[in-house]
Amino acid sequence: QVQLVQSGAEVKKPGASVKVSCKASGYTFTSYDINWVRQATGQGLEWMGWMNPNSGNTGYAQKFQGRVTMTRNTSISTAYMELSSLRSEDTAVYYCARAAAAGSFFDYWGQGTLVTVSS
Amino acid sequence: DIQMTQSPSSLSASVGDRVTITCRASQSISSSLNWYQQKPGKAPKLLIYAASTLQSGVPSRFSGSGSGTDFTLTISSLQPEDSATYYCQQSYSIPTFGQGTKVEIK
Repeated sequence: QVQLVQSGAEVKKPGASVKVSCKASGYTFTSYDINWVRQATGQGLEWMGWMNPNSGNTGYAQKFQGRVTMTRNTSISTAYMELSSLRSEDTAVYYCARAAAAGSFFDYWGQGTLVTVSS
Repeated sequence: DIQMTQSPSSLSASVGDRVTITCRASQSISSSLNWYQQKPGKAPKLLIYAASTLQSGVPSRFSGSGSGTDFTLTISSLQPEDSATYYCQQSYSIPTFGQGTKVEIK
């Protein structure tokens, strides 16, 4: 069965970076895009960007341009999202989600990773 | 970016009621509209994609309709396990989500 398993919760200081991993199983990792979506406590869903694990091509939401980097290691079917220059407003649960193609729906999601930014 | 507006923001209904949630796009998105259900502390779950196609395994009491700018999610007979927040999402261009509709059981 398709599974996306994310790394554990992180606590970071303002100005630091965080790197969240998303390990895929149950399907061919390079056949589906990985997207990242975040959700602040009690708030809605915010799309951050996508990555094609086959080509490594990426696309980021304008809000995160220059601060976010999405990468992958195909040998271990794992995608990564790194967010730098963290501020308190970045405190949120970060989800990875599989999409059949760019401009598609998200059919499987990771369990979420809570990133807390606090001094 | 395309703005997605859901209504109502919350609703309370009884078991067995028919429930309808509306999602409006700021410009035409054809049928590129998806619906998700999210329960507290859990990741969103895909219910419907391409406006009206039921995702595998989702109960048939859920249905979606619409095209262009106006869409609806209908729960034909509300069940206790349907208590959740529902989000629409457009996949016509850069993905954006509605603000969510919280459904509570009376």
